[in-house]
Amino acid sequence: NAGVMQNPRHLVRRRGQEARLRCSPMKGHSHVYWYRQLPEEGLKFMVYLQKENIIDESGMPKERFSAEFPKEGPSILRIQQVVRGDSAAYFCASSGGLASPTTETQYFGPGTRLLVL
Amino acid sequence: RKEVEQDPGPFNVPEGATVAFNCTYSNSASQSFFWYRQDCRKEPKLLMSVYSSGNEDGRFTAQLNRASQYISLLIRDSKLSDSATYLCVVTFQAGTALIFGKGTTLSVSS
Repeated sequence: NAGVMQNPRHLVRRRGQEARLRCSPMKGHSHVYWYRQLPEEGLKFMVYLQKENIIDESGMPKERFSAEFPKEGPSILRIQQVVRGDSAAYFCASSGGLASPTTETQYFGPGTRLLVL
Repeated sequence: RKEVEQDPGPFNVPEGATVAFNCTYSNSASQSFFWYRQDCRKEPKLLMSVYSSGNEDGRFTAQLNRASQYISLLIRDSKLSDSATYLCVVTFQAGTALIFGKGTTLSVSS
């Protein structure tokens, strides 16, 4: 399966713990995007990364949230000191590969569902 | 005002019906337009891009009116498998963040 991979698929954390969400882009893709979908809400953009660079983090909460896309390995979305309001589905998308119909087409992973108790 | 607004739904239609979804966007600088489909508790999947000239893919037809900042999706001969949430999506620039509407839910019944 050469699609976008995310893990874990489900994550349960207690308030105050840290959550680490991983995303492996589609093979050949160099652009990664993170989106959050709160219950009964639409998807909201969080951050856009290319290898080793954050391109746009305008959708990221100012505190507790960080993202990286290292030269080797998956992209990581990190949430420190989680609160109940962080409970949501976090989707990763990738684009930019030669296999895309256009370089802008974003393909989504299956998401990580975070539940904060 | 929300950046992308859609019909609230839900739309409940019988098999074979024709159904139309509407969407408006607030930023006239928007460059690219899409319809995505999201099944319950699944990831969004690209249904089709939307062009000013209009485009068709089988039973699905999408239209864009830049002057009115309006996007539509028409589904003909609805199938049970069309039941999903349809997301109207815009971007300001190719390759940048997607801006999603909240979605319109379609339920097709037999």
